[in-house]
Amino acid sequence: DQQVKQNSPSLSVQEGRISILNCDYTNSMFDYFLWYKKYPAEGPTFLISISSIKDKNEDGRFTVFLNKSAKHLSLHIVPSQPGDSAVYFCAASGVSDDKIIFGKGTRLHILP
Amino acid sequence: NAGVTQTPKFQVLKTGQSMTLQCAQDMNHEYMSWYRQDPGMGLRLIHYSVGAGITDQGEVPNGYNVSRSTTEDFPLRLLSAAPSQTSVYFCASVDKEGYTFGSGTRLTVV
Repeated sequence: DQQVKQNSPSLSVQEGRISILNCDYTNSMFDYFLWYKKYPAEGPTFLISISSIKDKNEDGRFTVFLNKSAKHLSLHIVPSQPGDSAVYFCAASGVSDDKIIFGKGTRLHILP
Repeated sequence: NAGVTQTPKFQVLKTGQSMTLQCAQDMNHEYMSWYRQDPGMGLRLIHYSVGAGITDQGEVPNGYNVSRSTTEDFPLRLLSAAPSQTSVYFCASVDKEGYTFGSGTRLTVV
């Protein structure tokens, strides 16, 4: 049973527009959420995170929103750039275990 | 349930010991990979395989061997464990719908 769900395997966005990647989770014990970015033949690299005590965290062009009641988080990238084309993983961890649970990933294509 | 099964979940090794981390998937995925997760370093790719009989090195392959004799299994071998290999290891298999990660193996080398 998937505890972290990314329901869109892929997403195409025009360069300069906003990219919104969505993620849902089922485990209410998760209290820390992360987004990772992955290029081909490399491991995922950390992008941005959010603690459950917050509902928004911003870092440059990247903003993560957390809606705990809906068990939903999203990553906004604005403006989208060609180098943002990659696979994005949503991940979560809980208080009792720092092991991270990953979603299946969303492949983002930034169109020229 | 279909998915990726990693064993063991926890392991403590002494320096110099060898061991194999097991990874099996029942989804008939061709692409499988091994990562290690270290604080502040994301997931680093160790080795990957695009199908039975085919393996290749990732970003941090030293000290690890892999083989892919079947589509289902992709074991990771530590030849002579070192404290620097203390980490959490994730196996993943991939198809067009995305990545499926195993639950991870926490390895401590003392």
